[in-house]
Amino acid sequence: DTGVSQDPRHKITKRGQNVTFRCDPISEHNRLYWYRQTLGQGPEFLTYFQNEAQLEKSRLLSDRFSAERPKGSFSTLEIQRTEQGDSAMYLCASSPVMGISGNTIYFGEGSWLTVV
Amino acid sequence: AQSVTQLDSQVPVFEEAPVELRCNYSSSVSVYLFWYVQYPNQGLQLLLKYLSGSTLVESINGFEAEFNKSQTSFHLRKPSVHISDTAEYFCAVSIQGAQKLVFGQGTRLTINP
Repeated sequence: DTGVSQDPRHKITKRGQNVTFRCDPISEHNRLYWYRQTLGQGPEFLTYFQNEAQLEKSRLLSDRFSAERPKGSFSTLEIQRTEQGDSAMYLCASSPVMGISGNTIYFGEGSWLTVV
Repeated sequence: AQSVTQLDSQVPVFEEAPVELRCNYSSSVSVYLFWYVQYPNQGLQLLLKYLSGSTLVESINGFEAEFNKSQTSFHLRKPSVHISDTAEYFCAVSIQGAQKLVFGQGTRLTINP
């Protein structure tokens, strides 16, 4: 069990550029989650997948944001035309199929995005 | 919609002193409750959770939290803190049957020697 892995850990980009983050969940975890955390705030839910199906999306996930999990394993979160307000830490998490109700959700160490 | 309020943004305490980190939630339906800890430059780790049953839950490192339905609270306590407990602590709630966690704003626990 190597834990949830996120890449890159840090990204600095210019406003208007596109960025993509990758998340590798714990193997055999069916559910994968994306959260966003800004300085001084708790994490906010963005979206989650069960296998390759994206089952819920937050209103925070504007049309500039897209998440995929094409083969039910790793996931990518892409932000197009980045804005300064997108600066945050993007957290990925995974859990077995029982999800919150019966199993722990394991978080990665996050990907820090700074938009300049 | 659910919400979580952590009443203290920062809590400084001396080593070996007791500590309580307060958490109140709002929900019209039954919930699950969680405390997560975030050490510097690390991801979130689950500290303890309340799903059902006994209202007092404990972690392996001496923390405990008590679910109080009438007061809609889930305060975290430790009778004697250690320097290594320095971290940010997040309270979170989820509706039973849902997958989304709603987090509070976090409480930064600072331990002074």
